[in-house]
Amino acid sequence: AQSVTQPDIHITVSEGASLELRCNYSYGATPYLFWYVQSPGQGLQLLLKYFSGDTLVQGIKGFEAEFKRSQSSFNLRKPSVHWSDAAEYFCAVGAGGNQFYFGTGTSLTVIP
Amino acid sequence: GAVVSQHPSRVICKSGTSVKIECRSLDFQATTMFWYRQFPKQSLMLMATSNEGSKATYEQGVEKDKFLINHASLTLSTLTVTSAHPEDSSFYICSARVTPAETQYFGPGTRLLVL
Repeated sequence: AQSVTQPDIHITVSEGASLELRCNYSYGATPYLFWYVQSPGQGLQLLLKYFSGDTLVQGIKGFEAEFKRSQSSFNLRKPSVHWSDAAEYFCAVGAGGNQFYFGTGTSLTVIP
Repeated sequence: GAVVSQHPSRVICKSGTSVKIECRSLDFQATTMFWYRQFPKQSLMLMATSNEGSKATYEQGVEKDKFLINHASLTLSTLTVTSAHPEDSSFYICSARVTPAETQYFGPGTRLLVL
């Protein structure tokens, strides 16, 4: 069965430090991969997506993610975190048709 | 582009009443819309998938007679919580898919509180 795992429930980083949020998926073929961000009480905003092609994708707000087929991973990175990046981050996998699976989310706290 | 709106953003109602939530794709036509429910500090739980002009497909465990979904046009889907009870209090989020791509664009959510 398809699944999405975000191993880190909560991460705390200092402002200006680098960030990496992990995402692993289980799917037989190459899925569509997404990262979304959710601020408290808000909907989800698409940060970036991977469908095919270059495995390093650039997104909004300075985020990037790398698809590694051999590791079934799609980790999100940012070289320098800003206080406004504090939010909940969700990795998601589209498996074709109407199948769409979310990870359990990673809560990011940024300390000054 | 790809903006999805929801209305209302929050609603408080009495137990036993019905509440309608609208989801609109503002700048694109969405043949498929999705309805999710999110509990505090949890991920999104897919409730149902609605395709324009056809009946919604509900996920296992979701009562279709309680959560009525209508997708009458390519830009509007509605979720009606019928005879709401306090346990229906939650954050409801819709999304719309831009076909043929698989990206889902999400609305800002509706906070429902049933007293």
